Amino acid sequence: QKEVEQDPGPLSVPEGAIVSLNCTYSNSAFQYFMWYRQYSRKGPELLMYTYSSGNKEDGRFTAQVDKSSKYISLFIRDSQPSDSATYLCAMSANDYKLSFGAGTTVTVRA
Amino acid sequence: GAGVSQSPSNKVTEKGKDVELRCDPISGHTALYWYRQSLGQGLEFLIYFQGNSAPDKSGLPSDRFSAERTGGSVSTLTIQRTQQEDSAVYLCASSPTSLLTDTQYFGPGTRLTVL
Repeated sequence: QKEVEQDPGPLSVPEGAIVSLNCTYSNSAFQYFMWYRQYSRKGPELLMYTYSSGNKEDGRFTAQVDKSSKYISLFIRDSQPSDSATYLCAMSANDYKLSFGAGTTVTVRA
Repeated sequence: GAGVSQSPSNKVTEKGKDVELRCDPISGHTALYWYRQSLGQGLEFLIYFQGNSAPDKSGLPSDRFSAERTGGSVSTLTIQRTQQEDSAVYLCASSPTSLLTDTQYFGPGTRLTVL
C-alpha cells in the first residue's frame, strides 16, 4: 500500500464548477500538507501549505486537513480553463523529504 | 529572476548506455533535491544535497545511480548502464535551506526514454 493515495482521475468539469480533490495517507507522523499544481511538461509549483489540521483559504483555493481521518482536500471555486492541470498532494513529518500522491489530472471545459 | 533549469529537456538513449542529467538551481539556494516521476506515480525522492554534500541518498534506486554537486550550485545526476525501467521524468528542485517551511522550487524536468 502506498503511503499517500490519490485518485488519478481524470476529472473533467465545466467552467465555474467547484473542483474537489483529495488524498488519504497512512503515516500518522505527517503534519505538513501541501498541494502542488503541475502544468503539462512543467515542474510542480506550490499552491497551498497547511500545518496540522484545519482549513486554509487563498483566493479561490481552500485546503482542508483532517488528521483524525488521515484525509486532506483541496477545493477550487469558480474553476477556470487555466486551472486545467495535474494537482499533486504532498506531505511530510518534519523535514524536507516529501511524500507525494500520484496526482489528479483536472480539465476545466470552457 | 531565473528559476531552476534542467538540461536536456528530453533524452532518448539505448539500454546499457550511461546518461548525465544537469540541474542549475536558483542562485543562493543551498538545498537541492532530485526526484523521479514515473507514469501514474507520484514524485519519488532520490537524493538531497546541502551545499556540495549529500547527507541523504536514501532514495537512489540502485548503485547505477549517482549524483554530485559542485560549487554549491550545479548538480549532475548520472545513471550508468541504463535500463528500460529508468524511463521517467527526472525533476530537480531547490530551496533556500532544507527547512520544511522553505518552498521547494522545481525545474521543468528531463524526460528520459530508454529504448
